[in-house]
Order: sequence, then C-alpha cells, then structure tokens
Amino acid sequence: TQLLEQSPQFLSIQEGENLTVYCNSSSVFSSLQWYRQEPGEGPVLLVTVVTGGEVKKLKRLTFQFGDARKDSSLHITAAQPGDTGLYLCAGAWRGNKLVFGAGTILRVKS
Amino acid sequence: NAGVMQNPRHLVRRRGQEARLRCSPMKGHSHVYWYRQLPEEGLKFMVYLQKENIIDESGMPKERFSAEFPKEGPSILRIQQVVRGDSAAYFCASSETGYGYTFGSGTRLTVV
Repeated sequence: TQLLEQSPQFLSIQEGENLTVYCNSSSVFSSLQWYRQEPGEGPVLLVTVVTGGEVKKLKRLTFQFGDARKDSSLHITAAQPGDTGLYLCAGAWRGNKLVFGAGTILRVKS
Repeated sequence: NAGVMQNPRHLVRRRGQEARLRCSPMKGHSHVYWYRQLPEEGLKFMVYLQKENIIDESGMPKERFSAEFPKEGPSILRIQQVVRGDSAAYFCASSETGYGYTFGSGTRLTVV
C-alpha cells in the first residue's frame, strides 16, 4: 500500500507569517500534485511536479519535489486569510491512480 | 465549458436503500475517476473508468458498490443497501488524457 504522510495535520497562524507543509512517502511517484480544498467543494489542482528536485512557484506558494521523488513540500510566504483551507498532496501511482495524503488544515487569522 | 458536474450535491438515504450518484465529465474527457472522502481525511481511490470500460476498480468494496460509464450519459456510482458507514463525500474527477484531474464539487451522502 502506498502511503503519503502529510504534516502538520493542522496549522493555525497569523496573517503575514510563513509556513511549510510536508508530504512524505517511502514510495517513488511518477509525479506529485498539490490540491486545495474548501469546505463543501472538490479539490482544486494547484500544481503538478514531475522531475526530482523540481521547484515551482505560484505567486506566494513554492512547491518542491524531492530528488528521489518520494517527498514534497509546500511553502507559503506571508500567508493571508484567503489561503485558509485543506491542502492535499497526491502521488500519481501507476500512471492514473492518485494516492492522497490525509491533508493539512490551514487557518490563517487576520 | 462547464466543469465536472455531480448530482445530487446532497443525498439522504435510509439504511437499506439504494444511492445513485451521477457524474458528467468535462466535455472531451473520456477518463473518469471516483474517490471517497471521510470527514477530515484525504481522498481514497475507488474506481477508474473509460467509456464503457472499468479500467481499475481496486479501491471499490466488492459488495454493494458498482460503477459504470456508458457510451452516452453520465458516469454512475451505485451503492445498494446503504449502511451508515457509507456516509461520506463522493467525488468524481475527469481528465482528457488520464493525467491532470479536474474534480467535481462532490455528492455528500448521509445514511440515516
């Protein structure tokens, strides 16, 4: 069974602070995706990383894929209340099937 | 171009009834996936379908659950004789190539 462990499970910070969410596995994935999910809605894809060591930036969000393609991190700079939500990492397994982590609930207080 | 459409958004069923969840993929997408999400948990893969074919159903319980994606019409996830443990949010996703999912807003099933 392929497992993706996310940490922390819950994060409550003040507006303007920085944070990092981690996604770790003992398995190698062909690609890794990060999603953001708001209450009552489906996950929305933020980014896909494919190459070991890859770094992608999306405004204040920086995503990194580990060299061995087993782990990833999401760093948010100067968090804002609008960043509040559930952040999910998902590894692509055997091409099409995604294995999801349990998620990190982020709350940014103004 | 509408996104992935799921209906109903909320479904309440009594124990023993049948639940039918519908998913219309994005236009041009022939790959459909169903996932289940329990409260404050990540999504668990259930089944992957292409038109008229089940490609991978390794995440689907062997009994009471079935899925189809007919040539015409939406994909259907069917749960027979529902039990309280089936209460969850069920999400459908579609893709054009088998990569790069777009998720629907989900169906929240409550079994009373």
